[in-house]
Amino acid sequence: QVQLVQSGAEVKKPGASVKVSCKPSGYSFTSYGISWVRQAPGQGLEWMGWISPYDGNTNYAQRFQGRVTMTTDTSTSTVYMELRSLSSDDTAVYYCATSGQLDYWGQGTLVTVSS
Amino acid sequence: DLVMTQSPLSLPVTLGQPVSISCRSSQSLVYSDGDTYLNWFQQRPGQSPRRLIYKVSNRDSGVPDRFSGSGSGTDFTLKISRVEAEDVGVYYCMQATHWPRTFGQGTKLEIK
Repeated sequence: QVQLVQSGAEVKKPGASVKVSCKPSGYSFTSYGISWVRQAPGQGLEWMGWISPYDGNTNYAQRFQGRVTMTTDTSTSTVYMELRSLSSDDTAVYYCATSGQLDYWGQGTLVTVSS
Repeated sequence: DLVMTQSPLSLPVTLGQPVSISCRSSQSLVYSDGDTYLNWFQQRPGQSPRRLIYKVSNRDSGVPDRFSGSGSGTDFTLKISRVEAEDVGVYYCMQATHWPRTFGQGTKLEIK
């Protein structure tokens, strides 16, 4: 069955960067894109962007442009989301999900930004 | 960006009763291929979101048939025919027709 396993919780200082990984299994890695969604404490879901493991194409939400980079490593079938210049507003659970239709979700990675 | 508006935002309900959640988009969600990419998600407390419905009315595998989706164009509805205790959580609509993808604000379903 399809599973997405994400990396563990992170604590970062303001201004730092974080890189979250997502490792899908149960299907051919390059067959489907991966979307990233975040959820601040007590808030709703916010779509951040999407990457195609097939050709590396990306589509980022405007508000994250210039601050986020999504990459893939086909040798390890892993997708990464890096967010730079962190502030307290970036404290959230970050999720990866399959395709642009978000069929399956990872367990989430809590990123805490605190001085 | 396309705006998705859900109502109500809070939904207290009695077990066994039906409920409806509305989701309206600021523009048509019909894609050039003729399909409408409107999905519904359930997020139970402390869990990752789970997709329930895709392309307006198609239930995902394992989703009970008391959940149904309907609508077209800009106006969509999620219905639960008889609410059960396990349905407590927050429900989100999301459009996957246009970039960037956008979610509704979420509707919190609770048992009275």
